[in-house]
Amino acid sequence: QVQLVESGGGLVKPGGSLRLSCAASGFTFSDYYMSWIRQAPGKGLEWVSYISSSGSTIYYADSVKGRFTISRDNAKNSLYLQMNSLRAEDTAVYYCARSGPADYWGQGTLVTVSS
Amino acid sequence: QSALTQPASVSGSPGQSITISCTGTSSDVGGYNYVSWYQQHPGKAPKLMIYDVSNRPSGVSNRFSGSKSGNTASLTISGLQAEDEADYYCSSYTSSSTFVVFGGGTKLTVL
Repeated sequence: QVQLVESGGGLVKPGGSLRLSCAASGFTFSDYYMSWIRQAPGKGLEWVSYISSSGSTIYYADSVKGRFTISRDNAKNSLYLQMNSLRAEDTAVYYCARSGPADYWGQGTLVTVSS
Repeated sequence: QSALTQPASVSGSPGQSITISCTGTSSDVGGYNYVSWYQQHPGKAPKLMIYDVSNRPSGVSNRFSGSKSGNTASLTISGLQAEDEADYYCSSYTSSSTFVVFGGGTKLTVL
């Protein structure tokens, strides 16, 4: 069965960096586009970034452009999100999701940006 | 402010039908048939309920249906059940650099 498991979240100070990982299993990872989607505490969903199956096409939300970098390693069935220059407003649960429409989601990993 | 507009809350009694609207522009909802709907229970990851405006993934009850007219998409839930109480989010492909936009979410209460 399809499984997506995020890791790498935690507490970081403003201006700091964090790298999230998402381990995929149960499907041919290299065939699918992937996304990172986040949800601030008590708030709605916000799409963060999207990467094509080969990694050649990438999109970012305006709120993270220039600070976050999405990447993937198809040999390792893994998706990544490098987050730099973190701000308090980046505090959220970060989900990885298999895309086109996000038909499978991980359980999420919490990122807290606070001094 | 979210790019797509949803009502903050809707409610209905068991057995009734409700509809949640999702209003965008010709650059997103109105321009493409790539509207999706997600259900999220408290503390859980979202679940895809409808994709490409009106298609149901395998395993999703046929009580859930989607449609679109102009710049507004709609999710209809018929035969409301207690387990349908959740937050619902719409999303759409957009021609802007953002690529995908979400609605602000609608809290469904089953009375």
